[in-house]
Amino acid sequence: GDSVTQMEGPVTLSEEAFLTINCTYTATGYPSLFWYVQYPGEGLQLLLKATKADDKGSNKGFEATYRKETTSFHLEKGSVQVSDSAVYFCALGGGSEKLVFGKGTKLTVNP
Amino acid sequence: DAGVIQSPRHEVTEMGQEVTLRCKPISGHNSLFWYRQTMMRGLELLIYFNNNVPIDDSGMPEDRFSAKMPNASFSTLKIQPSEPRDSAVYFCASTLPPASTGELFFGEGSRLTVL
Repeated sequence: GDSVTQMEGPVTLSEEAFLTINCTYTATGYPSLFWYVQYPGEGLQLLLKATKADDKGSNKGFEATYRKETTSFHLEKGSVQVSDSAVYFCALGGGSEKLVFGKGTKLTVNP
Repeated sequence: DAGVIQSPRHEVTEMGQEVTLRCKPISGHNSLFWYRQTMMRGLELLIYFNNNVPIDDSGMPEDRFSAKMPNASFSTLKIQPSEPRDSAVYFCASTLPPASTGELFFGEGSRLTVL
């Protein structure tokens, strides 16, 4: 079945560092791919998405490109801020109504 | 517009007690999902509804868990009897289908502690 694998955390960075969180997927067909973010004490919220191969999703300085050849959707940001500290979830939307989520990667950014 | 509203935000109860968690989806959304989040297992889908009808409850852990959606603006997740291993944060989310290409809108969660 469909699945998502994302890098284990936690990830700790200093402010203004470059961020990469790896995400790979297994799916039949042509899924949509998502990154959700969960700030402390809150529910998840959509950060960005891409619906077809080679699409780049972007929001709040974060980017991810849908790479079909490597079945990947890695999240990147050039310069992280303390306010980016959160848990990041990669997710896949396949043929069913359900989204399949990765286990989440906790990011802590220190000043 | 109001987002997904969940209640209670926090619940502490004793083993064996009945727990009812409530969710009001965003108006106009006709898909509703219940998730459970724990450190050990991450985010697990328990059940989802389309147009108030349960479509997939394969994630419901056992018969102690039940969920209902009597109308388009209200859903409940009930645990009876509760056990300490049920301690988790329970999220409700809603969307316009299909969820697989759209955006899920999550509530702030109900943190359940079973002593």
